[in-house]
Amino acid sequence: SYELTQPPSVSVSPGQTARITCSGDALPKQYAYWYQQKPGQAPVLVIYKDSERPSGIPERFSGSSSGTTVTLTISGVQAEDEADYYCQSADSSGTYRRVFGGGTKLTVL
Amino acid sequence: EVQLVESGGGLVQPGRSLRLSCAASGFTFDDYAMHWVRQAPGKGLEWVSGISWNSGSIGYADSVKGRFTISRDNAKNSLYLQMNSLRAEDTALYYCAKDVLGDAFDIWGQGTMVTVSS
Repeated sequence: SYELTQPPSVSVSPGQTARITCSGDALPKQYAYWYQQKPGQAPVLVIYKDSERPSGIPERFSGSSSGTTVTLTISGVQAEDEADYYCQSADSSGTYRRVFGGGTKLTVL
Repeated sequence: EVQLVESGGGLVQPGRSLRLSCAASGFTFDDYAMHWVRQAPGKGLEWVSGISWNSGSIGYADSVKGRFTISRDNAKNSLYLQMNSLRAEDTALYYCAKDVLGDAFDIWGQGTMVTVSS
């Protein structure tokens, strides 16, 4: 089955840039999406179609894609950005399936 | 206000069944595919199942295929998940999520907790 791989954790100091990667064989053919989840809350879509930002999401959130890897970049990290981040894509095998990465815990030091 | 409200969770014994419901409001329900996503305690998100706007396309995760059935009633703006032969590993918070762009999820409910235990 199709898998997306993320690092379990990333740590940065306030004001620095955080980069969270997500790797998957089908990513060159399928868009990736990113969600932020804070404790006790439902996930929130922060990036769609690899690099587009929904309305209401701060400009410091951006996304990029290169080959089999997509990257979520948070510039000028703030304490409120501490959360779990998940990448997500569609299964490219033609089945009506979606898949999530394992999630990355972003810690703001 | 766009809203999804799940219900039907609870404590159930292994091997038994449970039916989850999701009530949608604030958007044209039958314009969108819908999905169920779950999250086991302390774990990551897992896509469970999805259904197209007209129920013509349906998909399941391998972990639930053959045991869970997704359905929808567009007249009632409702999504359902029939869960049979429940296992301990099905214990999770089950979210209902609205499809966007045919690939992702832009609106989520607050979830309903399912605990499978004897």
